[in-house]
Amino acid sequence: GAVVSQHPSWVICKSGTSVKIECRSLDFQATTMFWYRQFPKQSLMLMATSNEGSKATYEQGVEKDKFLINHASLTLSTLTVTSAHPEDSSFYICSALVTFGSSQPQHFGDGTRLSIL
Amino acid sequence: DAKTTQPTSMDCAEGRAANLPCNHSTISGNEYVYWYRQIHSQGPQYIIHGLKNNETNEMASLIITEDRKSSTLILPHATLRDTAVYYCIVRERNTGFQKLVFGTGTRLLVSP
Repeated sequence: GAVVSQHPSWVICKSGTSVKIECRSLDFQATTMFWYRQFPKQSLMLMATSNEGSKATYEQGVEKDKFLINHASLTLSTLTVTSAHPEDSSFYICSALVTFGSSQPQHFGDGTRLSIL
Repeated sequence: DAKTTQPTSMDCAEGRAANLPCNHSTISGNEYVYWYRQIHSQGPQYIIHGLKNNETNEMASLIITEDRKSSTLILPHATLRDTAVYYCIVRERNTGFQKLVFGTGTRLLVSP
């Protein structure tokens, strides 16, 4: 159980385009989802916390207008990288939390590798 | 900032037990210890978590010291597929701060 699916697995696009990444909880409802970014040879950095039906909470230094997050249902959150540029190239990973306020762990998707040319 | 410190890297022979230490000397009473691992180019995989008692599941055992200032993740019979970066993370339970803060982790290399 507790499977999180991310789509697409990898994407290559031209500078200036917008890219949408989907994160789905397949066998559970996730009130909270998280978006991380990971650069090569570095650890995961939290970008934002996404709660179903409300605005996302962004970490310091993350541009909310650049990284649009929508969590419209209990099984789907999306991250849109708007007007992407080469410096946005990274590995984007989402995770989902089964129950808010419990000790249950977050479960992660397999990530999306984004390359901006 | 991460609240844990781990060795940068460790080696283990295939079939032997891998013991990965983690120091979390500033842990507070309502914080759990979580272990995840990340195999190259994949998302982190949950392994185990605990509060103060030792825990065991099908993947690993977690030993937490009595003062809770450190813990050890034990992979009883390491295989080549256990080669990964292992992250030890502390996280509060009953607050709004559900986020995980990843440190640099321990790169475990299992060799034949």
